[in-house]
Amino acid sequence: DTGVSQDPRHKITKRGQNVTFRCDPISEHNRLYWYRQTLGQGPEFLTYFQNEAQLEKSRLLSDRFSAERPKGSFSTLEIQRTEQGDSAMYLCASSSNTGHGYTFGSGTRLTVV
Amino acid sequence: GEDVEQSLFLSVREGDSSVINCTYTDSSSTYLYWYKQEPGAGLQLLTYIFSNMDMKQDQRLTVLLNKKDKHLSLRIADTQTGDSAIYFCAESIRGDYKLSFGAGTTVTVRA
Repeated sequence: DTGVSQDPRHKITKRGQNVTFRCDPISEHNRLYWYRQTLGQGPEFLTYFQNEAQLEKSRLLSDRFSAERPKGSFSTLEIQRTEQGDSAMYLCASSSNTGHGYTFGSGTRLTVV
Repeated sequence: GEDVEQSLFLSVREGDSSVINCTYTDSSSTYLYWYKQEPGAGLQLLTYIFSNMDMKQDQRLTVLLNKKDKHLSLRIADTQTGDSAIYFCAESIRGDYKLSFGAGTTVTVRA
């Protein structure tokens, strides 16, 4: 297992376009998280899955954002009608029920122009 | 998160000790974490401490927790150039699934 993988690493999109990011967690981890990190800030929680169930969504996750984890393995994060304020690093992480802390992926850096 | 505060910058000479400080506000925090982020990379878990502990040592890293003052520190002994990075303090609340991060301390190691 190579850790948490995120794809793509970088995405540049025009304002108003839709984008989708993918996260492949560590295979034995049943918890998956999405965070957003802007320049000079720490990561901010967006949403959390336990297996395929999305158990919590932050108020940061507007209705333009949707996350899925259909089979309890990989997850996708879609942003519709992107805005310049969506420019950020989107980090995925996973953990087990008993582990402490997360394993983070390298992130997807989104730039909306 | 606004509940976790850190100083923004630290410059240290190679071979010296680094001390990174963090304050948190939620007394119900159960675990407190230190993460390291190198340029263009995700966050790497360095160490964590349970809220009923005062200290934890792991090789060059020492974590000190003062629950009364809600103060957490990370000491890196014999700081090396590879330690140059951003260090984040984080707390978990209501179980161990959601973390609240500070803004990060940028540590620069000079020769």
